[in-house]
Amino acid sequence: NAGVTQTPKFQVLKTGQSMTLQCAQDMNHNSMYWYRQDPGMGLRLIYYSASEGTTDKGEVPNGYNVSRLNKREFSLRLESAAPSQTSVYFCASSKRGDSSIEQFFGPGTRLTVL
Amino acid sequence: GENVGLHLPTLSVQEGDNSIINCAYSNSASDYFIWYKQESGKGPQFIIDIRSNMDKRQGQRVTVLLNKTVKHLSLQIAATQPGDSAVYFCAENMGQGAQKLVFGQGTRLTINP
Repeated sequence: NAGVTQTPKFQVLKTGQSMTLQCAQDMNHNSMYWYRQDPGMGLRLIYYSASEGTTDKGEVPNGYNVSRLNKREFSLRLESAAPSQTSVYFCASSKRGDSSIEQFFGPGTRLTVL
Repeated sequence: GENVGLHLPTLSVQEGDNSIINCAYSNSASDYFIWYKQESGKGPQFIIDIRSNMDKRQGQRVTVLLNKTVKHLSLQIAATQPGDSAVYFCAENMGQGAQKLVFGQGTRLTINP
């Protein structure tokens, strides 16, 4: 099993450009999450999907949209990138959205917005 | 340590010694806590978790202690090894029935040979 995979690994955008970060998991997990991590900081939840067909805002949703394409895939879209969105983006999944279930993380996408 | 942005709290210990990493959490209603390890350039990796109805939980070489009175969490790593060098994050679940994790700033642990 590959676990949680993310593409691309690195991306450089200009201010105002758009892009979609892709995430897929092969563990048959119900819940998926998007986080961002700024230098020297902990992760902050952007959006999550407790189950296929549902999405909800996390701590820092502004400037982002998500799509739960199917049970395996959860994408994050930046419609008009801003320098403040320069960060490392992590996708995670868990077996279900219950409060006591471990999340498994992908390797991250390093995004720079110029 | 206080959150000072780029300057993570750091802890250096000698190989073979025990280490204790501390974390203060914010919400007395949080029902679940996790410790993650993050190596350079990688995603966080689960270490151990604890529910709010417990005050101690042990794993292999790791122990998590929860003190709800003062909203404090600690991670003890026994007999540290070079591979334990990483940044360690605590996280609390602030969701009600859903998992909405709030992460701490992190502590950089360095194991000296």
